[in-house]
Amino acid sequence: DTEVTQTPKHLVMGMTNKKSLKCEQHMGHRAMYWYKQKAKKPPELMFVYSYEKLSINESVPSRFSPECPNSSLLNLHLHALQPEDSALYLCASSQVSGGAGEQFFGPGTRLTVL
Amino acid sequence: AQSVTQLDSHVSVSEGTPVLLRCNYSSSYSPSLFWYVQHPNKGLQLLLKYTSAATLVKGINGFEAEFKKSETSFHLTKPSAHMSDAAEYFCVVTAGGSQGNLIFGKGTKLSVKP
Repeated sequence: DTEVTQTPKHLVMGMTNKKSLKCEQHMGHRAMYWYKQKAKKPPELMFVYSYEKLSINESVPSRFSPECPNSSLLNLHLHALQPEDSALYLCASSQVSGGAGEQFFGPGTRLTVL
Repeated sequence: AQSVTQLDSHVSVSEGTPVLLRCNYSSSYSPSLFWYVQHPNKGLQLLLKYTSAATLVKGINGFEAEFKKSETSFHLTKPSAHMSDAAEYFCVVTAGGSQGNLIFGKGTKLSVKP
């Protein structure tokens, strides 16, 4: 299985809602990533998990809260988001964090904040 | 510090003609380089990667890229464009260090005319 899956595909939420994005991989990868991608821009790194521990937080606002319950799962909890947070949220994984290995990306969750 | 520059924001070709997407990189050490493709509203798919083995790298869907250290380039080519190649293409370099972050170019949008 060489796939990274993400749910939901689309999400619309109000600024007072709490929602979660889910990412799953079964490739035995020990590094997982969250990216945010605005229209016509490259992905921007948000968080890196290495062996289920948060290793990088790229100064992301606290209204985004990542969680890595186990080596296959990665969640992104959303609370009190702003309209400018509307974007495509991509999850990725790699064998380990660091080194020359490529990252495998999921299809993304299209988030709209009203 | 590592960086990539994609020299064209938009490339338009006719179906059946060659494709050339240009990428220059800057790296303080021997880099790993990737090309990813993103179709509209989709995640990123790895086309090919260079990790200091052969300088001519073959990827999926007939794409290939040549690593030229003297020119610090990693241009993506395909002999004959297909309509399905229309997408956004990202040249990517690893950031180095222990985290293995990716540094993305700004992207090149490829249009294919019938």
